[in-house]
Amino acid sequence: DAKTTQPNSMESNEEEPVHLPCNHSTISGTDYIHWYRQLPSQGPEYVIHGLTSNVNNRMASLAIAEDRKSSTLILHRATLRDAAVYYCILRGDYSGGGADGLTFGKGTHLIIQP
Amino acid sequence: DAGITQSPRYKITETGRQVTLMCHQTWSHSYMFWYRQDLGHGLRLIYYSAAADITDKGEVPDGYVVSRSKTENFPLTLESATRSQTSVYFCASSESWGLVTDTQYFGPGTRLTVL
Repeated sequence: DAKTTQPNSMESNEEEPVHLPCNHSTISGTDYIHWYRQLPSQGPEYVIHGLTSNVNNRMASLAIAEDRKSSTLILHRATLRDAAVYYCILRGDYSGGGADGLTFGKGTHLIIQP
Repeated sequence: DAGITQSPRYKITETGRQVTLMCHQTWSHSYMFWYRQDLGHGLRLIYYSAAADITDKGEVPDGYVVSRSKTENFPLTLESATRSQTSVYFCASSESWGLVTDTQYFGPGTRLTVL
């Protein structure tokens, strides 16, 4: 499976934008980039996913590099409630039938300062 | 409430005892999953189910048993608990899981301690 690399932790201030990077240099052409986050003492929750074009939803934006070897999750205006571990996960055509579930790495621990 | 729930939220047991962790979802999702989360390992898949009466092993199935007689329930049983099974267990569900765009919805987790 293609792997992802994320910084262990990042710190940001409340009400400022946050850019969470993810490197995936071995990504294949059909791999989708998914982001999940895990708030303290909760289960992971889906944030966003994309293939090539930048994507936006109510939670965040996903910016994907032109060569697709990296991506950035953007929280436009971080709040204290955005403090969580953010996971960048690749899913490709080989991920059929649920046999592999989701492959979580260690993610990035985002700290928000008031 | 609608969604995915797990019970109990916290459980302390002793080595050798049988323990069952419950998972219930109200969306009628076909797929359900069990993960465990340990420090240094992230989340790892234990078992999954594609539909009622269809289950299969994930990455770390040893020591666990699952069943799925109803679509909405997916219990996980530790037949003889060991200290190495001390972990946080998460249940998840998905309407489908064959497409690379499919997503999972997670429950709040059960923190299990085996003494």
